[in-house]
Amino acid sequence: DIQMTQSPSSLSASVGDRVTITCRASQNISSYLNWYQQKPGKAPHLLIYAASRLQSGVSSRFSGSGSGTDFTLTISSLQPEDFTTYYCQQSYSTLYTFGQGTKLEIK
Amino acid sequence: QVHLVQSGAEVKKPGASVKVSCKASGYTFTGQYMHWLRQAPGQGLEWMGRINPNSGGTDYARKFQGRVTMTRDTSISTAYMELRRLISDDTAVYYCAREGLAGATTNWGQGTLVTVSS
Repeated sequence: DIQMTQSPSSLSASVGDRVTITCRASQNISSYLNWYQQKPGKAPHLLIYAASRLQSGVSSRFSGSGSGTDFTLTISSLQPEDFTTYYCQQSYSTLYTFGQGTKLEIK
Repeated sequence: QVHLVQSGAEVKKPGASVKVSCKASGYTFTGQYMHWLRQAPGQGLEWMGRINPNSGGTDYARKFQGRVTMTRDTSISTAYMELRRLISDDTAVYYCAREGLAGATTNWGQGTLVTVSS
């Protein structure tokens, strides 16, 4: 199975900061990398698909980049509602896998 | 508008089975894969498998092979996930999710809490 390594596992930042979360795949997954935001008690919400494509309705302060094995999610100018947990997911293989998650906390 | 509505919470004893349903609306049910995922309390997301609602074909995560069965009833646009031989570690919120562009899971159900306890 393809292993997804997400870092950092937690991150402290302030409102207005720019932050980057990294996801690394154990093998080449082309651009089949998706990013989700999950708020406590809620289902995950798709932010970015195909590494860099912004899901409809998602704020443009979210952006994604990368291909092959290394990917990043960048949130520019953090807003209070952005302090929650983020996951990467690969959809290259028939057997999907997720990163361990990154919890974004207010400094 | 796409909606995925899951069945209600379940409490099961170890060794029992659970079957969770996911009723889809707002799109052509047979048009996209339906995935099943879970999240144990305080833990990350775990992919369990997916079903092609058109053909009934399935792909299961190795961890659940032999213990999970995903089915569908196209006449009522509903997908099902059955997990057998439950243990306490199966206590989790189970989600269905519709596959969209580039294989991303675009729309999610509200989740079904399954508690396994003696």
